Amino acid sequence: DGGITQSPKYLFRKEGQNVTLSCEQNLNHDAMYWYRQDPGQGLRLIYYSQIVNDFQKGDIAEGYSVSREKKESFPLTVTSAQKNPTAFYLCASRPGGSYNEQFFGPGTRLTVL
Amino acid sequence: KQEVTQIPAALSVPEGENLVLNCSFTDSAIYNLQWFRQDPGKGLTSLLLIQSSQREQTSGRLNASLDKSSGRSTLYIAASQPGDSATYLCAASLSGSARQLTFGSGTQLTVLP
Repeated sequence: DGGITQSPKYLFRKEGQNVTLSCEQNLNHDAMYWYRQDPGQGLRLIYYSQIVNDFQKGDIAEGYSVSREKKESFPLTVTSAQKNPTAFYLCASRPGGSYNEQFFGPGTRLTVL
Repeated sequence: KQEVTQIPAALSVPEGENLVLNCSFTDSAIYNLQWFRQDPGKGLTSLLLIQSSQREQTSGRLNASLDKSSGRSTLYIAASQPGDSATYLCAASLSGSARQLTFGSGTQLTVLP
C-alpha cells in the first residue's frame, strides 16, 4: 500500500523543547516538501528537498531544520527558536523531473503547551 | 513574489446546485495550477492539475479552467452533494525545477442537504 505517512498525528511540546516530526514515503518519489498550515490559512513552505543529502529553505524556514539521509524519509525538527510553532504540519512528495503533481500526507498537529 | 487569492472564503449552497470557486494569482508565469480538497483535520487530496499550456481539466463532476493572461483559475462543481463539503485550496507552481507551490487560503464549501 503506497503512500505518505506522518507521525505522530498529534504532538504536544513544552516551550523550549525541540521536537521532530516524521515523514516517510514508499512511492519512490525524488522530491519532498514540508508545509505549515495555520487556522483559516493556506499552506506555507518550510523546506524542500529534490534529492538525497540536499535541501533548500522555503519561505518560513527560521526555527526549523531538516535532513534527507534516505530517499524515503524527510524528518522536520521544530526547534526552540521557532517562536510560534503551534500549527498543522503537512509533508508532501513529488516524483521529480517534469512530473508536477504533489501528493500529501495526513499531517501532524503540533501544540505547544 | 507570487500571491494567490481565493474568494469567497466561505460558501454555502443547497444540494444539487452547480457552483464555481475562484482563484487568482499575481504572476502569470506559472508552470501549473493545482486544486486540492481538504477535509477537517486531514491532509490534502489532489483534485486536478492544469499545466500552463492547458485551458482546462475535467474529472467527473469537476472542471478546472486556467486563464494565465488574466491570472485566474476556476473550479466548477456540477450537481453539488453534501459529500462535497470541504475546504478547497488552489496552488500555483513556480517555473523552477523544485515546482514550489504557493497556496491560496482556501474556500470552505458547505453543501446543505
